[in-house]
Amino acid sequence: NAGVTQTPKFRILKIGQSMTLQCAQDMNHNYMYWYRQDPGMGLKLIYYSVGAGITDKGEVPNGYNVSRSTTEDFPLRLELAAPSQTSVYFCASSGPSPYGYTFGSGTRLTVV
Amino acid sequence: GQQLNQSPQSMFIQEGEDVSMNCTSSSIFNTWLWYKQEPGEGPVLLIALYKAGELTSNGRLTAQFGITRKDSFLNISASIPSDVGIYFCAGDSGGSQGNLIFGKGTKLSVKP
Repeated sequence: NAGVTQTPKFRILKIGQSMTLQCAQDMNHNYMYWYRQDPGMGLKLIYYSVGAGITDKGEVPNGYNVSRSTTEDFPLRLELAAPSQTSVYFCASSGPSPYGYTFGSGTRLTVV
Repeated sequence: GQQLNQSPQSMFIQEGEDVSMNCTSSSIFNTWLWYKQEPGEGPVLLIALYKAGELTSNGRLTAQFGITRKDSFLNISASIPSDVGIYFCAGDSGGSQGNLIFGKGTKLSVKP
């Protein structure tokens, strides 16, 4: 039972480059989320999805895009990387509230 | 929007000491959750609280759902070095999106 799998674990991007952070879950959860974590700032919600084909913005969506074509996958796209997007990104999934989230192990992204 | 105030921000304690941290909110939550994040990993659920006044234990950890539904605390008894990490509280208002609101975390350091 893999839970939530994120790839890659680490990545260095140059300013203006694009990339996709992958997230997959095998628990048949409807809800999926992308968070970014900056030091001392906790977790900020970027985008979330309540099911395949449905996505919505969170607190800090600018500079990111998502898609949810299947229940299992929820990729996060950075189109024009900026230094402000240097962060650790976490994907999470959950079943019906109130069972809490299962988090992936994170992707550490540095934009130089 | 909803916010959680988590305190303290950081704690430096001696092995064997007890630890207490708390979260408060101006909003009511239906569920309170406590997570622990170890270096290089995603947060992992420690305790979930579903009812006002509920007191739940998980080994040396004890958490309570405040009677007003606006606060929660987490206690760790007889701390050990492996308790090191960042502890996050999270509240679930029970909305259809299943979104959790996270505190900014309490960073715990344990000196052997």
